[in-house]
Amino acid sequence: ELKVEQNPLFLSMQEGKNYTIYCNYSTTSDRLYWYRQDPGKSLESLFVLLSNGAVKQEGRLMASLDTKARLSTLHITAAVHDLSATYFCAVDPLYSGATNKLIFGTGTLLAVQP
Amino acid sequence: GAVVSQHPSWVICKSGTSVKIECRSLDFQATTMFWYRQFPKQSLMLMATSNEGSKATYEQGVEKDKFLINHASLTLSTLTVTSAHPEDSSFYICSATLLAGGFFTYNEQFFGPGTRLTVL
Repeated sequence: ELKVEQNPLFLSMQEGKNYTIYCNYSTTSDRLYWYRQDPGKSLESLFVLLSNGAVKQEGRLMASLDTKARLSTLHITAAVHDLSATYFCAVDPLYSGATNKLIFGTGTLLAVQP
Repeated sequence: GAVVSQHPSWVICKSGTSVKIECRSLDFQATTMFWYRQFPKQSLMLMATSNEGSKATYEQGVEKDKFLINHASLTLSTLTVTSAHPEDSSFYICSATLLAGGFFTYNEQFFGPGTRLTVL
């Protein structure tokens, strides 16, 4: 059974600080996605990582993928309150056929304190 | 581009009634749509994969007779929760994929805004 685990589940951090969210998965995959979800809302796509060593950055967020370690990271630089949300990683298991299913991680609730 | 809508955005119904949720791809043709359920403070759980013109594929543990999925066109999939009960109250999210072709082609899922179902 494919498992996608995120660490930590809850993160309270001060504005201006840096931190990293980790996403570990248990099967072969070279497609990983990061999403943001605000309370009561649906998902907002942040990053799509399609190969080993992929690194993408947007504003204060940077995501990377290590397919050999089956690990993706979402790094937050100089956090601001607007980044407070729940962040999910999702894995597309390789060889899932043409279905392109996504298995979501447990989620990380990020609260940025002033 | 790649906009997905859901209707209704929220619905309240009495126990025992059926509720239909629509998922539409507004500006592209979606050969595959996915239905997810999310309970409060939990992750998204894939319920089923819906391919246009064929029967949906349900994930293990999801009752296909309770959650009826129809994907009659390339832009519309519907989820009907039959004989709803309070435990079916949840946030239902659909997504749609534009299949570009090829087994290893990258196909991003585009998510709808979600439908909050409350069963009294």
